[in-house]
Amino acid sequence: GENVEQHPSTLSVQEGDSAVIKCTYSDSASNYFPWYKQELGKRPQLIIDIRSNVGEKKDQRIAVTLNKTAKHFSLHITETQPEDSAVYFCAAGKNTGNQFYFGTGTSLTVIP
Amino acid sequence: NAGVMQNPRHLVRRRGQEARLRCSPMKGHSHVYWYRQLPEEGLKFMVYLQKENIIDESGMPKERFSAEFPKEGPSILRIQQVVRGDSAAYFCASSPFRARELFFGEGSRLTVL
Repeated sequence: GENVEQHPSTLSVQEGDSAVIKCTYSDSASNYFPWYKQELGKRPQLIIDIRSNVGEKKDQRIAVTLNKTAKHFSLHITETQPEDSAVYFCAAGKNTGNQFYFGTGTSLTVIP
Repeated sequence: NAGVMQNPRHLVRRRGQEARLRCSPMKGHSHVYWYRQLPEEGLKFMVYLQKENIIDESGMPKERFSAEFPKEGPSILRIQQVVRGDSAAYFCASSPFRARELFFGEGSRLTVL
């Protein structure tokens, strides 16, 4: 099965700086890579996703890049704000599969 | 359109009791997934269901755990004879299509005393 690894497990940045979270996956057939944000005690919410036919996708301050050859994808948050503080999960899946495989999460703290 | 609804939000059980968690997917969603989250850990897949069918239960322990998604009514995750190790947050997610973006509920937090 798929194995998704996520780094770092914790990340602290100053407000206004950028944050980068990286994930690797093992199954070359995976073709869908969503990112979820989970605030303390709340539900995970999809913030951005990318499919394997695209190398990069951007939505305001958030961007995701995908390197299919190296089997890794990254989340980039620019101009971080305190409300970006949360746990971020990457995931990998395929449209012929039955589930998404999640990384272990990155706890991001943005220091005002 | 209401989101994914889970209840109860918090459940306390003593060892040996049964826990029953309910999930109503978003309107129009026929795909339901259950995930378990231990403190400071990721989301672990348990089971994937469509109406009246279990599609993939590879992540669910073979004993004490069962899930269903009847034609009418919510999906139910049932844990019999709970043990302390079952204490976790159980998240349900639904999707309009197979293996597409998941919409999560707020979770049910089970505490076993």
